[in-house]
Amino acid sequence: GAGVSQSPRYKVAKRGQDVALRCDPISGHVSLFWYQQALGQGPEFLTYFQNEAQLDKSGLPSDRFFAERPEGSVSTLKIQRTQQEDSAVYLCASSLGWTGGGNTIYFGEGSWLTVV
Amino acid sequence: AQKITQTQPGMFVQEKEAVTLDCTYDTSDQSYGLFWYKQPSSGEMIFLIYQGSYDEQNATEGRYSLNFQKARKSANLVISASQLGDSAMYFCAMREGRPGRRALTFGSGTRLQVQP
Repeated sequence: GAGVSQSPRYKVAKRGQDVALRCDPISGHVSLFWYQQALGQGPEFLTYFQNEAQLDKSGLPSDRFFAERPEGSVSTLKIQRTQQEDSAVYLCASSLGWTGGGNTIYFGEGSWLTVV
Repeated sequence: AQKITQTQPGMFVQEKEAVTLDCTYDTSDQSYGLFWYKQPSSGEMIFLIYQGSYDEQNATEGRYSLNFQKARKSANLVISASQLGDSAMYFCAMREGRPGRRALTFGSGTRLQVQP
């Protein structure tokens, strides 16, 4: 596709339920990022992939959060046993290469998660 | 300490006028990049402009320009000839140059409202 595609766009989960959020980056983009954006805040980094390798997961808030990109393209962010504080927009972004220089980072529209 | 500071939670501007959105940053790296993104209510983060720390000239992209003052550690976004469609949240972000730091760090954003 032309841009970064995320699904589902909206998800309501009951507390304790597991959720999976999908990201389809721009074709050929090596780098893939996940960010969490709470209401009224700027996005906060969760994790980074270069191809299939997860090079940085320092932003994952707990071991309930898990991300994978097994074939170096589509990525899934999984949240186990969701809690109310997980309610946020989850943004996926990709870039052509390493984000040095002016390599632009392109974002998807996000997956809006509400935990009730 | 905040790495990216945006001190204007909200700004108003009349249509066709210019507006400056403030951003200051904090890093000890010599090599870094500064980005501005626009986020309309749909949620997508739209890339606007990039400035590298070694770029000698201020970046410009159409109606957007970045007023980069390295000694002051500021990277203000200037939007000329504001349009109603410019109403959105605007985020300043930084990517530090140290190895392994590929993620963007975002500020808290400025909500711009363009009035007719």
